[in-house]
Amino acid sequence: NAGVTQTPKFRVLKTGQSMTLLCAQDMNHEYMYWYRQDPGMGLRLIHYSVGEGTTAKGEVPDGYNVSRLKKQNFLLGLESAAPSQTSVYFCASSYTPGDGYTFGSGTRLTVV
Amino acid sequence: EDKVVQSPLSLVVHEGDTVTLNCSYEVTNFRSLLWYKQEKKAPTFLFMLTSSGIEKKSGRLSSILDKKELFSILNITATQTGDSAIYLCAVGGNKLVFGAGTILRVKS
Repeated sequence: NAGVTQTPKFRVLKTGQSMTLLCAQDMNHEYMYWYRQDPGMGLRLIHYSVGEGTTAKGEVPDGYNVSRLKKQNFLLGLESAAPSQTSVYFCASSYTPGDGYTFGSGTRLTVV
Repeated sequence: EDKVVQSPLSLVVHEGDTVTLNCSYEVTNFRSLLWYKQEKKAPTFLFMLTSSGIEKKSGRLSSILDKKELFSILNITATQTGDSAIYLCAVGGNKLVFGAGTILRVKS
């Protein structure tokens, strides 16, 4: 049972480039989330989804877009990367919003 | 705006010490409070608390919630070097809101 799988694990982008982070879960969870983690700031919610075909903005959505075309996948896109988006990105999923989340192993993104 | 505040931000203790980590919150539509431990990678789940005054225990770790005063504590007794990590508190309303974390370092 894989749980939550994130790809890629590491990436270096140049300013202005675009990329997509993929999150896949095999637990039939309805809820999926994208967080970024920066030193001293904990985990901040970027976007989340409460089911297939739905997305919603979190605390820090600017510069990111998401899609949930299939229940098991939640994609995070950066259309034009900026150095301020250098961070570690975590995907998570849960059955309900109050449950413990299952996290992916993270993607370390550096924008130069 | 939902808010979760953890204290202290960091602390250093010696093996065998007991530590108490604090988490206070202001969240609409409270459902649960969760504690996570984060070492090098993804946070791993420790406890979920939904009711006041009921202590949850797992080995040397325990936690309790006070819904009237809007806080929770995480206790670790007889600390070991393997307890060194970031401890995250998160409060679930419509979604989880995380605190900044407490960095714990246990020296041998």
